[in-house]
Amino acid sequence: EAGVTQFPSHSVIEKGQTVTLRCDPISGHDNLYWYRRVMGKEIKFLLHFVKESKQDESGMPNNRFLAERTGGTYSTLKVQPAELEDSGVYFCASSLRDRGAYEQYFGPGTRLTVT
Amino acid sequence: TQLLEQSPQFLSIQEGENLTVYCNSSSVFSSLQWYRQEPGEGPVLLVTVVTGGEVKKLKRLTFQFGDARKDSSLHITAAQPGDTGLYLCAGRTSGTYKYIFGTGTRLKVLA
Repeated sequence: EAGVTQFPSHSVIEKGQTVTLRCDPISGHDNLYWYRRVMGKEIKFLLHFVKESKQDESGMPNNRFLAERTGGTYSTLKVQPAELEDSGVYFCASSLRDRGAYEQYFGPGTRLTVT
Repeated sequence: TQLLEQSPQFLSIQEGENLTVYCNSSSVFSSLQWYRQEPGEGPVLLVTVVTGGEVKKLKRLTFQFGDARKDSSLHITAAQPGDTGLYLCAGRTSGTYKYIFGTGTRLKVLA
């Protein structure tokens, strides 16, 4: 069974540009989460989808970040316009509908560098 | 703001030694997880504990959840070079699937 995949693995963009990160969860997983780690800090929750619905977006830093999960399969996280402080590693995780509290499977992350 | 503090931050030990990593908070958690992360990869779940005082064992790793569900520890017996990595604890509060991650403990086991 394929794990959580994320694309791209690395992205280097200039301040003010737009970047879109993609996450493909494990097939059949209704729950999808976005987290990020900025330099020197702990991993922080961004938001949680149940299928295509946003269940909790309390961790989204500001309105420059837009997450979507059309059709309840893969998800995208768009940053527009990117700022220097957005640099970090963005992780996606997924879990089965009833196992979200106990098992979250993480992808390898996308390393975003904003210059 | 909820905060999960891990100690020590860094640990370098010889193969065969024992070690304990601590995860502490002032918040009460419904469940707490331990992950291990290696460079270029995402965190990999090791264990989830949900009951105060619970102890779980995974080969040479022993995990304990504090009685008040505010803290946890990870004990490794006879550490091996393959145990090298970043260990993370993460706690979840009631009513959410959101996990708060700890600051991490970077372990290096020397052969």
